[in-house]
Parts: sequence; C-alpha cells; structure tokens
Amino acid sequence: AQTVTQSQPEMSVQEAETVTLSCTYDTSENNYYLFWYKQPPSRQMILVIRQEAYKQQNATENRFSVNFQKAAKSFSLKISDSQLGDTAMYFCAFKGPSGGSNYKLTFGKGTLLTVNP
Amino acid sequence: AAGVIQSPRHLIKEKRETATLKCYPIPRHDTVYWYQQGPGQDPQFLISFYEKMQSDKGSIPDRFSAQQFSDYHSELNMSSLELGDSALYFCASSYRTGGKSNQPQHFGDGTRLSIL
Repeated sequence: AQTVTQSQPEMSVQEAETVTLSCTYDTSENNYYLFWYKQPPSRQMILVIRQEAYKQQNATENRFSVNFQKAAKSFSLKISDSQLGDTAMYFCAFKGPSGGSNYKLTFGKGTLLTVNP
Repeated sequence: AAGVIQSPRHLIKEKRETATLKCYPIPRHDTVYWYQQGPGQDPQFLISFYEKMQSDKGSIPDRFSAQQFSDYHSELNMSSLELGDSALYFCASSYRTGGKSNQPQHFGDGTRLSIL
C-alpha cells in the first residue's frame, strides 16, 4: 500500500515571502500521480497543482510550483509571494496508475500553513 | 463551471439513527468517490463508483452503504450512527473512461455530520 508523509504539521510565513512544504511517499509503482490540495478554514478541498510521475518537468500553476524528485520519492510544494488567502491546511495526495484500486487518493496528514501580515 | 454538489451541508443526528448523504457529480464525470474526514484528520477513502458500479472499497463500515444511480448521482446511506461517525464527508468526481486516469478528482464542499 502507498503511504504519504508530510513531516511538517505546521508552518508559518510572512506575507510576500516564499515557503516550501515537504511531502514524501512510498510506492512500488513506476507511473502514478501526485497532487497538492488546499483546505482553507471553510473546509473546502481545492486542487492546487498536480504532477504526473512520467513527466520530468516540474508542474507550475501561477505562484505554486513543485519540486518532484522521483528517485527520492519527494514532492514538495513551493508557494511564492505568499498571500493571506494562502492560509490553509495543505494535503499532499497520491494516486496510482489506472486499473484496480488505484483511482482513490491517499492523503498525507497535512501541513497547516499560516501566512502572517 | 459546474462543481460537485453535496447535500445537505450540515446534518445533525442522534446515536442509532440513520442518515443519507447525496452527491451530484460534475456533468459528464463518470466516477464518484466518497471520503470521510474526522476532526483534525486527513480524508480517508470510503468507496467509489464507476459507471454506476462499485469500483473500489476502502475503510467503509458495514453499517454504511452507497450506490450510484442512472443519472450518476450517488448516495451514502449510514445506519446505526455512532458518535465516531461525526465527520466531514466529501464526495469527489472525475472522468476516467478511456483510461484517463490522469484526470484529477474535484471535491464538493462536504457534508458535516454531527452525532449527538
């Protein structure tokens, strides 16, 4: 079974600065998908960014980018120019390749990010 | 764009009662997933349906059942409710016909279930 580990339960950053959230995972699969979801105080689950394991290029979505290190099984999220609205719980999630029971998401325990003014 | 619709948003029940949660996926999405998120916890996968058939089963109690209907909406039925069932229940949907396993899951706003 796949496992996802987020070693930082809480982090804080000053507005306009950059912060990196860590995520590692364990899998025997070669092709899989990784996601970062954001859960603000409203408790919605919002997709931030996704990465396909067979793509070497790191995904980028505006101020959000990832550092995907497949050999190290590491998938960190970098938030640039942090904004107050980025305050949320961030979950790293893993999904296996197509077929069987691989469509479900396995989440890490989350990192609570607070952006301070 | 249309999103995943869940109802009700909040539900309060007493122990041993039953509850039904509903989920309406994004139009043309063929797969529905249910997750349970306890207080301060990460979401845990319960069950999923693809084209109205159960696709995968996670840590769903035997007291819970679910199905997907012909219009693709799904319902999660919960019986003999316990205090530990108090949680946020998310429904998510995606499109995977044709092996499109790279399509992300889009989540609804969740149903907050409180058991008194």
